[in-house]
Amino acid sequence: QVTLKESGPVLVKPTETLTLTCTVSGFSFSNARVGVSWIRQPPGKALEWLAHIFSSDRKCYSTSLKSRLTISKDTSKSQVVLTMNNMDPVDTATYYCARIQEGYSSNAFDIWGQGTMVTVSS
Amino acid sequence: DIQMTQSPSSLSASVGDRVTITCRASQAMSNSLAWYQQKPGKVPQVLIYAASTLRSGVPSRFSGSGSGTDFTLTISSLQPEDVATYYCQKYDDDPLTFGGGTKVEIK
Repeated sequence: QVTLKESGPVLVKPTETLTLTCTVSGFSFSNARVGVSWIRQPPGKALEWLAHIFSSDRKCYSTSLKSRLTISKDTSKSQVVLTMNNMDPVDTATYYCARIQEGYSSNAFDIWGQGTMVTVSS
Repeated sequence: DIQMTQSPSSLSASVGDRVTITCRASQAMSNSLAWYQQKPGKVPQVLIYAASTLRSGVPSRFSGSGSGTDFTLTISSLQPEDVATYYCQKYDDDPLTFGGGTKVEIK
C-alpha cells in the first residue's frame, strides 16, 4: 500500500525557516518513475501548488514563491524535503505532499498525505 | 506561466441537477488535466485525469471533457454526497497549477 506522510513543526515564528518532510512507503524512488509535489491550503482557501521534484531529480517551483523554496529528495530514506524561508503569518496553511506516476499512463496526483497544519505566529 | 481559471467559483443546485464546472487555461495545453474533489475537512482526491479518464471507483455521474484551453467537469445528476470543492490542475509540466476551485452546494 502506497502512503505519504508529512511531518514538521506545528508552529513557526515569522522570519524563521520551515522544514517539512514527506516520508513515502509502498514504493521506492530508486526504481519507480514517481514525482512528488508539495501543495498548501490556507484555512478556507484554495489549493496552491508549491514545488515538485521529478524522478530524474529535476525540480520546479511556483513562480511567486521560487525565491523562498527548496525541494530535495533522499532516496535512501524515501523522503522528500521542502524548505521555505522567511516565513510569514500568511504562510499559515495545511501543507500536503502528493505523488504522481510519470509517463504516458500517469493518473495525476493519485496519492496524497494527510497534510500537516503549520501556523506562523510570534 | 499557464494560469488555470475555474468558473463559477461557487454554485448551488438541486439534487438530480446536471452541474457543469469549467476550467480555462491561459494558453493551449496538453490533455494532462485533472479534476480533484475535496470534501470539507478531507484530503483532495483525484476524480478524473487525462481530461476525461474516470479514476477507478469514481461514480459514472462524473465526467470530464475538453482540450486545448477549455475543459469541463460534469456531474450528470447531483447527489448530496457530491457537496465539495472541485479543483482542476494541469500536471504535465512546470508549473503544476491548480484552478481556484468551485464550491458545490445543495439548494
